[in-house]
Amino acid sequence: AQSVTQLDSQVPVFEEAPVELRCNYSSSVSVYLFWYVQYPNQGLQLLLKYLSGSTLVESINGFEAEFNKSQTSFHLRKPSVHISDTAEYFCAVNEAGGTSYGKLTFGQGTILTVHP
Amino acid sequence: DAGVTQSPTHLIKTRGQHVTLRCSPISGHKSVSWYQQVLGQGPQFIFQYYEKEERGRGNFPDRFSARQFPNYSSELNVNALLLGDSALYLCASSFGYHYEQYFGPGTRLTVT
Repeated sequence: AQSVTQLDSQVPVFEEAPVELRCNYSSSVSVYLFWYVQYPNQGLQLLLKYLSGSTLVESINGFEAEFNKSQTSFHLRKPSVHISDTAEYFCAVNEAGGTSYGKLTFGQGTILTVHP
Repeated sequence: DAGVTQSPTHLIKTRGQHVTLRCSPISGHKSVSWYQQVLGQGPQFIFQYYEKEERGRGNFPDRFSARQFPNYSSELNVNALLLGDSALYLCASSFGYHYEQYFGPGTRLTVT
C-alpha cells in the first residue's frame, strides 16, 4: 500500500527567504506525485505534478519539486517566498499502472507561514 | 472554463440524519473522486467513479455511498450521520484514472 510522510507539520519562514517542504513516499510500484496547496476555508489547488520525464518540475509561481526515486522523495522548494505563499501544502501519491485506480494518498500537510 | 463545482457550500445536520452532496466535474472529465478531510488532516479517499462505474472505494463504512450520472456529475450520500462525519468533503475530477485531479471548493458538513 502506498503512503506519504510530510516530515514537517509547520514551517515558519521570513519573507524572501528560501524554503523546503519535505515529502517522502512509500510504494511498491511506480508512482505519480503531486503537490497541492490549500488556503483557509478553500479546496485544494494543484501546484505541480510529476507524471514522467524530467525529475525536476516547476510551477508558474516559482515553486519546484524534484522526484528522487532512490530516496523516494518529492521535496518542494522555493528560493524566495512571499507573504501570499502562507497556506497548507499537501504532498500526494497515485500508484501508476496495473490494476490501480486513481486513488490519491495524501500526507498530513505542512503549514507554511511566511512572516514579514 | 468552469472548474469543479460542489453544492451545498455548508450544511448542518443532526445525528442519525441523511445527507446528499453534489459535484459537477470539469467539462470533458469522466472521472470523479470523493475525499473526506477532517480538520488538521490530509484528505482521505472515499470513492472514485469513472464512466458511471465505481472504480475504487476507500476504508469507509457502508453508510457512505455514491453514484455518477450520465452527464458525469456525482452524488455522495451518507446515512445515519455520526458526529465523526463532520468534515470538509471534497470532490475532484480528472480526465481518466491516472491523470491529475482537480478539486472543488468542498462542502463543509457539521453534524450536531
